[in-house]
Amino acid sequence: QSVLTQPPSASGTPGQRVTISCSGSSSNIGSDYVYWYQQFPRTAPKLLIYRNNQRPSGVPDRFSGSKSGTSASLAISGLRSEDEADYYCAAWDDRLSGPVFGGGTKLTVL
Amino acid sequence: QVQLVQSGAEEKRPGASVKLSCKASGYTFTNYAIHWVRQAPGQRLEWMGWINGGNANTKYSQNFQGRVTITRDTSASTAYMELSSLRSEDTAVYYCARAYCGGDCSPGGYWGQGTLVTVSS
Repeated sequence: QSVLTQPPSASGTPGQRVTISCSGSSSNIGSDYVYWYQQFPRTAPKLLIYRNNQRPSGVPDRFSGSKSGTSASLAISGLRSEDEADYYCAAWDDRLSGPVFGGGTKLTVL
Repeated sequence: QVQLVQSGAEEKRPGASVKLSCKASGYTFTNYAIHWVRQAPGQRLEWMGWINGGNANTKYSQNFQGRVTITRDTSASTAYMELSSLRSEDTAVYYCARAYCGGDCSPGGYWGQGTLVTVSS
């Protein structure tokens, strides 16, 4: 089963801007929307970005999403210690008729 | 407000089956699909399958084909996920999540609290 590719880890210092990449294929990112989720230990994922670059209400504008071709990125500006979490991307896969997730990126705030 | 409340933790022996529930409230159950996603300890999110809340059509991940069955009871606004032939590798937290939109959509902003399933002899 296809899986979206994310770097396993990312890091930054408070105030910095960090980006997390998500690479897919023409059957998923290339043809459908990308979603991003934030997950803290022992809690359910929280929707951070939907439809490539839209933020649900309550999500700070420090978080932004973009997509180009078969890749997508999540950017976090003005990094804060509370941003330390796991981040997952997801996209619908037309071949599988279901969503595929990235492997997750553990963000560390140094 | 939209809520998804899942059933409690389960402990099962290898070879057994487990059936989890996900009770939805705060929206019209038949207008959205429910996804089931699991997460083994320290591992990534893994999609298992989904059910259309309206017509009960289902789609399962090939990784679970033949072992997973997702059903729904519209009168109870509840979705169910049954996983059979359990093995130790099935030890994980199982989440239900509402699709973002009314069509073919990835999970959106509403997730259950998760149910821990432990498979051990």
